Amino acid sequence: QMQLVESGGGVVQPGGSLRVSCVGSGFMLSTYAVHWVRQAPGKGLEGVAVISYTGSDKYYADSVKGRFTISRDNYKNTVYLQMNSLRVEDTAVYYCARDEYDSSGYYVDVWGQGTTVTVSS
Amino acid sequence: SSELTQDPAVSVALGQTVRITCQGDILRIYYASWYQQKPGQAPVLVIYGKNYRPSGIPDRLSGSNSGNTASLTIAGAQAEDEAVYYCNSRDSSGNHYVFGTGTKVTVL
Repeated sequence: QMQLVESGGGVVQPGGSLRVSCVGSGFMLSTYAVHWVRQAPGKGLEGVAVISYTGSDKYYADSVKGRFTISRDNYKNTVYLQMNSLRVEDTAVYYCARDEYDSSGYYVDVWGQGTTVTVSS
Repeated sequence: SSELTQDPAVSVALGQTVRITCQGDILRIYYASWYQQKPGQAPVLVIYGKNYRPSGIPDRLSGSNSGNTASLTIAGAQAEDEAVYYCNSRDSSGNHYVFGTGTKVTVL
């Protein structure tokens, strides 16, 4: 069964740092681009960052650019999101999501269960 | 523009048909995909591409595309279809996903 499992969420003070992880199982994560998508309490979905399958290309939403860094270790089947200079508005459930692209276009076909990040003093 | 607009909420009687729409100029370039999210759960892909359903998604859910509008139709709505539905697409850079604002479907 294909799965993504996030971990590393928690409570952090404004200005602090946190690293969340996403481990893939049941498939080779190394052959897929991976997105981090977040959802603030009671709000919609927001794409935060994406990394290519090789790790050579990385893109960030303007809201996190310069503060968050996405990376991956394909030997460990894991993708990371390092979050620095955290703000109260970064409070959200963070999902990792597998990017699929074929003749049908782009879509996310596998989602993790999410990890909760709370930024509060 | 990469924005995707959805109606905030819609209701449907049990067994009836409802259509949810998603509008945005980016849909003239990329297909939309649709995700169902129930409270406390991660989103689940229900429709992608022209009108494809992943394994396990009932055929009462279907999608269509025309110009700058994508639609998700639930024919013969069931209680388990009650959820928030999000559309999404690549953004104008082609690198990120942009998500619609979400439509809460209530089955009466």
